[in-house]
Order: sequence, then structure tokens, then C-alpha cells
Amino acid sequence: AQKITQTQPGMFVQEKEAVTLDCTYDTSDQSYGLFWYKQPSSGEMIFLIYQGSYDEQNATEGRYSLNFQKARKSANLVISASQLGDSAMYFCAMREGEGMDSSYKLIFGSGTRLLVRP
Amino acid sequence: GAGVSQSPSNKVTEKGKDVELRCDPISGHTALYWYRQRLGQGLEFLIYFQGNSAPDKSGLPSDRFSAERTGESVSTLTIQRTQQEDSAVYLCASSWTGGGNSPLHFGNGTRLTVT
Repeated sequence: AQKITQTQPGMFVQEKEAVTLDCTYDTSDQSYGLFWYKQPSSGEMIFLIYQGSYDEQNATEGRYSLNFQKARKSANLVISASQLGDSAMYFCAMREGEGMDSSYKLIFGSGTRLLVRP
Repeated sequence: GAGVSQSPSNKVTEKGKDVELRCDPISGHTALYWYRQRLGQGLEFLIYFQGNSAPDKSGLPSDRFSAERTGESVSTLTIQRTQQEDSAVYLCASSWTGGGNSPLHFGNGTRLTVT
């Protein structure tokens, strides 16, 4: 069964606007961690943000924030004030368990390609 | 500081030949991962090393694939008798530990093309 689902293969956003990239996940664990990575056309994988399942507040890192809805098993990435350099593939990933009891495998979704229009 | 280093960055090989891909993790990182990324797709887990523990090889797609790591240093991924379906980018990543909120730090990958 697919653990991480990213239903938007491609997205457009106008420069300076906000955009939400969807991610839903499937796990029977009560504790888990969710990660977002950015992959520009150069191919490098850049870690953006982390959300633990027991974190009470949504994670934020600069212009990136995570809209975490545990009951719906969704962890959408919100990018505010989009910039041309935000054009890239974005991957959602999950690690089951949290802290010392977590597994080590990071399972990735299929990604969303974001294009920022000037 | 130095990130994860992978070599070669590109490799073109003929079907049936063996290839060896190298990964140099960030110093001090105990966990090391190999992933495969086919064109336009997500990352597929291949193998995981944690310190001197036995590696998790559960993601290796066939017995033509093998990997080694000595302690907490360099790792090599070997593909024997390459097939065209092995064409992909092979990404290596390392992290401080193998779990929790420790993010993976990725190298730039090796793009393998099997002709």
C-alpha cells in the first residue's frame, strides 16, 4: 500500500503568491515524522521542514510552513511569497515512529513539480 | 563544511557490464542510505547502514545489487551485469542517527545510463 500520496503532479503559482502542495500519508503508527524536500533541476535534495506527529504546533521555517491535520492524515506544505527560485520538484516523506523508537527508513511520495511564473 | 560526496556524477555503461558507485558521507554521520530515482519519479529506498550493525538490504531490487560500507565511512554500491532498467539517478544520503527528526543529507547523485 502506498504510504505517501502526492496527488498534484504539477502546479503553477504566480510570483509573490502563496501555494499549497498536498501530501497525505498512511500509517498505523501513533508516532511518526513527516519531512519535505525540494529538488531543483540541478538534482540535489534540499531538506525544508519537519513535523513530528506529537508536535502541537504546525512547523514553520521561514517562508515554509506545514499545515498538519493529523485526523485527516495530511501534511501539506505551504510556501508563502513564492519566488522564481522556488521552481522545483517537492517531495513529501515519512518516517514511522518518533524519537528513539523511530524506524530509519524515509519513504517518499512521487513528488509535485512547482513552476513559479514571473 | 563538506556535504555528502558521490562519484562519479555521471556513468554510461554497456548492458552486461558491472558498475561501482561511491558515496562519501558527512563526517560523523552514523547512518547512510542509498536511494534510486528513475526519471520523473520519487525516491526508491535501496539499502541502509547504521554504524557497525548489519545493513538493511530489503530495498535492493535483485541479487545483482550489493553495497558495502566500512564502519562509518565510504560506501560503495555495486551493480553487476547492468540492465537498461537500471538506468536512474542513484542518490546517497547520510544523517546523524538513523531515526527521529534527523533529516537525511543527500549527495548530488550518480546518473547511470545503461546502453
